[in-house]
Amino acid sequence: DIQMTQSPSFLSASVGDRVTINCKASQNINRYLNWYQQKLGEAPKLLIYNANSLQTGIPSRFSGSGSGTDFTLTISSLQPEDVATYFCLQHNSWLTFGSGTKLEIK
Amino acid sequence: QVQLKESGPVLVQASETLSLTCTVSGFSLTNYGVIWVRQPPGKGLEWMGIIWRNGNTDYNSALKSRLSINRDTSKSQVFLKMNSLQTDDTAIYYCTRVRRFGVQVMDAWGQGASVTVSS
Repeated sequence: DIQMTQSPSFLSASVGDRVTINCKASQNINRYLNWYQQKLGEAPKLLIYNANSLQTGIPSRFSGSGSGTDFTLTISSLQPEDVATYFCLQHNSWLTFGSGTKLEIK
Repeated sequence: QVQLKESGPVLVQASETLSLTCTVSGFSLTNYGVIWVRQPPGKGLEWMGIIWRNGNTDYNSALKSRLSINRDTSKSQVFLKMNSLQTDDTAIYYCTRVRRFGVQVMDAWGQGASVTVSS
């Protein structure tokens, strides 16, 4: 089974900051990685699919990069509405979720 | 508009069977599969099983012995049944859709069904 190691587990940043969240796969997953945002009490929302493709309707301050085993979600300028838990999902070989990153405003 | 909606009991007794329904609209179950995912309180997400667009199923090995997923395409509904419930099965249960691995994976989710297993 593929394991996904997500870091950090908690992140506190100021409005306007550039924020990065990382996921590392235990083996090559090509570009088959999605990023999701989950606000408190809500269902997850797809932000980025296949490592770097922005889902329709998602603000351009969100971007994804990486391939193989190392992936990054970047928020270029943090906004108050970005407070949420973010997690990755690999779908190269079955499905594995990252453990999540809780993002708060400093 | 693509929508998925979970329905089922809020409270289930330990050792009993959980039955949940996912009703979809805006797409056909013959074009998309449905994945069941659960999230225990304060914890991460776990995929449970998939019913593919051709009707075949795959299950997470950790749940395979207790889990069954079926569908009624004429009603646009997918059904999850899980037996021998324990208190650690308490979770929010989501249904999501998938075209195939690598293509449109979990791009739309239901709002979730909160299930509490009582001892």
